[in-house]
Amino acid sequence: NAGVMQNPRHLVRRRGQEARLRCSPMKGHSHVYWYRQLPEEGLKFMVYLQKENIIDESGMPKERFSAEFPKEGPSILRIQQVVRGDSAAYFCASSPQEPLNTEAFFGQGTRLTVV
Amino acid sequence: DAKTTQPTSMDCAEGRAANLPCNHSTISGNEYVYWYRQIHSQGPQYIIHGLKNNETNEMASLIITEDRKSSTLILPHATLRDTAVYYCIVRVATDNNNDMRFGAGTRLTVKP
Repeated sequence: NAGVMQNPRHLVRRRGQEARLRCSPMKGHSHVYWYRQLPEEGLKFMVYLQKENIIDESGMPKERFSAEFPKEGPSILRIQQVVRGDSAAYFCASSPQEPLNTEAFFGQGTRLTVV
Repeated sequence: DAKTTQPTSMDCAEGRAANLPCNHSTISGNEYVYWYRQIHSQGPQYIIHGLKNNETNEMASLIITEDRKSSTLILPHATLRDTAVYYCIVRVATDNNNDMRFGAGTRLTVKP
């Protein structure tokens, strides 16, 4: 059973371009969480999704950021018109539908660099 | 956002037990206590979780006070590879409220 897979591991974008970060949850997991980590800082919650539904996006910036978790395929975190301040590590985690109190597992992250 | 408070940093001698405290005084009855760690810039690693009883696994032990307002993560024989940032999280697991909010964590340094 493969772990949570994130790709790409490293992504370089020029200012104004779009960044697409993908997260494939563990097999059987229907809950996905996205976090952002700036250098030397902690993990900041961004969004929590279940299949085809956004449950909590209170940590998402109001503009340029969006997330989806379609019925088929990976979860996507999309950042439009990237700026230098978007440079960070983005982690996703997944957990199963049942039992609800089980642990979530993290991927190894995507390091986004905006130049 | 985080509902826990932890010391910013701690040191521990190699081979000794590392005891990492966490305060969660506003925890509610259906919230679990979870511990994760992040080694360097890797993805966070799950360690252990519990509701009210003490828990032990191959990595660590979790001691939760009777009033559940605080807990302690114990690494019984710390090694240099246990140097990491340790996060304590409270999380209520209902179908539509299953998110996890991280605080600043405790940076544990294991010294030879």
